[in-house]
Amino acid sequence: GAVVSQHPSWVICKSGTSVKIECRSLDFQATTMFWYRQFPKQSLMLMATSNEGSKATYEQGVEKDKFLINHASLTLSTLTVTSAHPEDSSFYICSAITNEQFFGPGTRLTVL
Amino acid sequence: DAKTTQPTSMDCAEGRAANLPCNHSTISGNEYVYWYRQIHSQGPQYIIHGLKNNETNEMASLIITEDRKSSTLILPHATLRDTAVYYCIVSGYGGSQGNLIFGKGTKLSVKP
Repeated sequence: GAVVSQHPSWVICKSGTSVKIECRSLDFQATTMFWYRQFPKQSLMLMATSNEGSKATYEQGVEKDKFLINHASLTLSTLTVTSAHPEDSSFYICSAITNEQFFGPGTRLTVL
Repeated sequence: DAKTTQPTSMDCAEGRAANLPCNHSTISGNEYVYWYRQIHSQGPQYIIHGLKNNETNEMASLIITEDRKSSTLILPHATLRDTAVYYCIVSGYGGSQGNLIFGKGTKLSVKP
């Protein structure tokens, strides 16, 4: 299947700082990528839909000014968690669409 | 998108077939049945999908009932590495255009 990568795989930061997570489609171009969040022992929850060259579409309850999404190329989408707080600690997963939807390995964010 | 119902957990002996059921009684005519799995602390992995015919690939088989209200994912010879949470998802657009809505899934434990 197609390969989607994320960087970093894990990050620890201090409260109030910003963290950028990259999502790349390695062997295909993706006009649409999705960002999910998963808290411990819970299922994945969609945060936003990232479209290349246009503004992201956010799910209800997700603050667009806090979770900045940029999809500047057909192989890269970035999620920036601004002014991160401990409650933002979670497992962030992206996915990209080719013939099917493929997921990245996830990024574990811990905010101290 | 239609909702799915899966058992919370299942056990399977190593080497035996694992049969994971899923109910999707409100599925509509253009919705596909998708199966993904998530091994601990990793991103979801695509397994298989189908519309109305049974499907088989190198990972698993998917049996969809004639009325399409339920399906079964079959792992023919389960190994310890198949221990994961398995998600049955019903999605329009064939899953290739829309976001996937994850339920709680079935936690499959393969035991030696």
